[in-house]
Amino acid sequence: QKEVEQNSGPLSVPEGAIASLNCTYSDRGSQSFFWYRQYSGKSPELIMSTYSNGDKEDGRFTAQLNKASQYVSLLIRDSQPSDSATYLCASRQGSQGNLIFGKGTKLSVKP
Amino acid sequence: DAGVIQSPRHEVTEMGQEVTLRCKPISGHNSLFWYRQTMMRGLELLIYFNNNVPIDDSGMPEDRFSAKMPNASFSTLKIQPSEPRDSAVYFCASGQGVSNQPQHFGDGTRLSIL
Repeated sequence: QKEVEQNSGPLSVPEGAIASLNCTYSDRGSQSFFWYRQYSGKSPELIMSTYSNGDKEDGRFTAQLNKASQYVSLLIRDSQPSDSATYLCASRQGSQGNLIFGKGTKLSVKP
Repeated sequence: DAGVIQSPRHEVTEMGQEVTLRCKPISGHNSLFWYRQTMMRGLELLIYFNNNVPIDDSGMPEDRFSAKMPNASFSTLKIQPSEPRDSAVYFCASGQGVSNQPQHFGDGTRLSIL
């Protein structure tokens, strides 16, 4: 059973701090990884994707991938209250179309 | 650009009734996915299509659930007969079926079975 594990949280950080969200995956064949943000009552929205070991930065977001240790993390710098949401980690094996989603980590950024 | 379009946005019906959820994927996307999301189980893949052909329906909970994709621009998920435990948010997503391409989600259908 291929699994993606996330700490459900809630993770609470003060405004302006760095939020660190972690995700581990069981399928060593996974090649693509995605972070989605989901506001309450809304649909998941893609915020980051990564495929190579190391860091990938996009604005305040950095995705870190370590395939040897089978984890991928998302860092959010200068956290804002508007970042408060549930963050879903997903992996895909090879060229197959489906994603395996974690259950998400709820992030709360306190003003 | 039009995103993934789902209808209806909300559906409330009595158990035993047939429920049909509809999805229009993003033009040019050749993969379509149906998910169900609940607090307890998170986001679960029900079925996905590639080039209108069902590839993996192992997530469909039971025979009461069926999905079709008659053409590249339309898909339905049907529940017959519906039960209260089917209450959830159902999302449709589409993608380009290539490993490094993400899926894009519709706004979902919030289904309540009384």
